[in-house]
Amino acid sequence: DTGVSQDPRHKITKRGQNVTFRCDPISEHNRLYWYRQTLGQGPEFLTYFQNEAQLEKSRLLSDRFSAERPKGSFSTLEIQRTEQGDSAMYLCASSLGTDRAYEQYFGPGTRLTVT
Amino acid sequence: GQNIDQPTEMTATEGAIVQINCTYQTSGFNGLFWYQQHAGEAPTFLSYNVLDGLEEKGRFSSFLSRSKGYSYLLLKELQMKDSASYLCAVSRSNDYKLSFGAGTTVTVRA
Repeated sequence: DTGVSQDPRHKITKRGQNVTFRCDPISEHNRLYWYRQTLGQGPEFLTYFQNEAQLEKSRLLSDRFSAERPKGSFSTLEIQRTEQGDSAMYLCASSLGTDRAYEQYFGPGTRLTVT
Repeated sequence: GQNIDQPTEMTATEGAIVQINCTYQTSGFNGLFWYQQHAGEAPTFLSYNVLDGLEEKGRFSSFLSRSKGYSYLLLKELQMKDSASYLCAVSRSNDYKLSFGAGTTVTVRA
């Protein structure tokens, strides 16, 4: 399978704990995006990378959230001191950094439940 | 910011046609996207419109009017597997980050 992969698929954590999610994009894609989706809503943009550079962060991304893409390949999203409001599906997407950059391929997501 | 509106739910019969409308208000509009999302799964890309007009791709077509801030997704010859949420999304600049509507849940009945 050469699509976007995310790990873990499900995470249950207690409020106040830290969690880290991983995304492996399609290998030749140099753009990587993180979105968050809650039930009955569309995905909300969180942040994106062009290679290893983080180019934009949404105001939704509080200082408890941090994302990295150290070698321009996989990316991690960390949430510190989780809150119940962080419960959501966290989606990763990747795209080519060319004129086909519009076509974002989404991974299966990591569903976070904060108890 | 962007305002993206689409109906919450639509129901149609197998073999019929359904049109999902999407209106948007955004500055610096770049393009409009449609994604399909089955329950519990990731969104999958359906179409991208940057110029006015109709783009046809098999049973699915997408239309854009930039001056009216309006798009629609047309699903023809509906099949049961088309039951899903359809997400309208816009991008504002060349970074192609997407702003999504809440999605339209389409239910196809036999």
